[in-house]
Amino acid sequence: AQKVTQAQTEISVVEKEDVTLDCVYETRDTTYYLFWYKQPPSGELVFLIRRNSFDEQNEISGRYSWNFQKSTSSFNFTITASQVVDSAVYFCALSGGYSSASKIIFGSGTRLSIRP
Amino acid sequence: NAGVTQTPKFQVLKTGQSMTLQCAQDMNHNSMYWYRQDPGMGLRLIYYSASEGTTDKGEVPNGYNVSRLNKREFSLRLESAAPSQTSVYFCASSEALVGAANTGELFFGEGSRLTVL
Repeated sequence: AQKVTQAQTEISVVEKEDVTLDCVYETRDTTYYLFWYKQPPSGELVFLIRRNSFDEQNEISGRYSWNFQKSTSSFNFTITASQVVDSAVYFCALSGGYSSASKIIFGSGTRLSIRP
Repeated sequence: NAGVTQTPKFQVLKTGQSMTLQCAQDMNHNSMYWYRQDPGMGLRLIYYSASEGTTDKGEVPNGYNVSRLNKREFSLRLESAAPSQTSVYFCASSEALVGAANTGELFFGEGSRLTVL
């Protein structure tokens, strides 16, 4: 069965600090995708990244970076030099493999607060 | 561009009443989803439809039914609403190939806030 665990319920840091959001997943599929979404206070869900299970290269996009490690079933998200606009709830998500092609489940989310 | 449209945006029901949440997407996506969001629980998958004509249970399907009316529309029905179904409901859609791992980003509607008294 698929499962996504985001153990950090809430994180609060001061602006310009670096912060890492943890995501641990469980799946029996060999092919799957991992995602991160952002939900700002306005409530909409914003796609940040997709990573497939065969690509363990880390990815960097501006102040955002993602570390995917299959050995520990983790897909962590780091924000460098955080800004107040980064305050949001962040969700990690996992797709099914070929046996459950379109099934995408989410973790419980991490609420990130950036203090000025 | 409309994207994913959900109606109604707000609804108050009494216990035992029934209602249907409507969802339509105009992006020609194959897959559609219904999630509920509750404080501290994240987004939980209720039902999904990998393609027109198919529906599958998600993590929390009890108390709900769905209909994939056509490629554009995916409705969620509460036959006998209960207070535990008070939540914000999100419809989403994505491109996906039947039989392949979903590669697409999810596009979400704005959400429907349902209160069951």
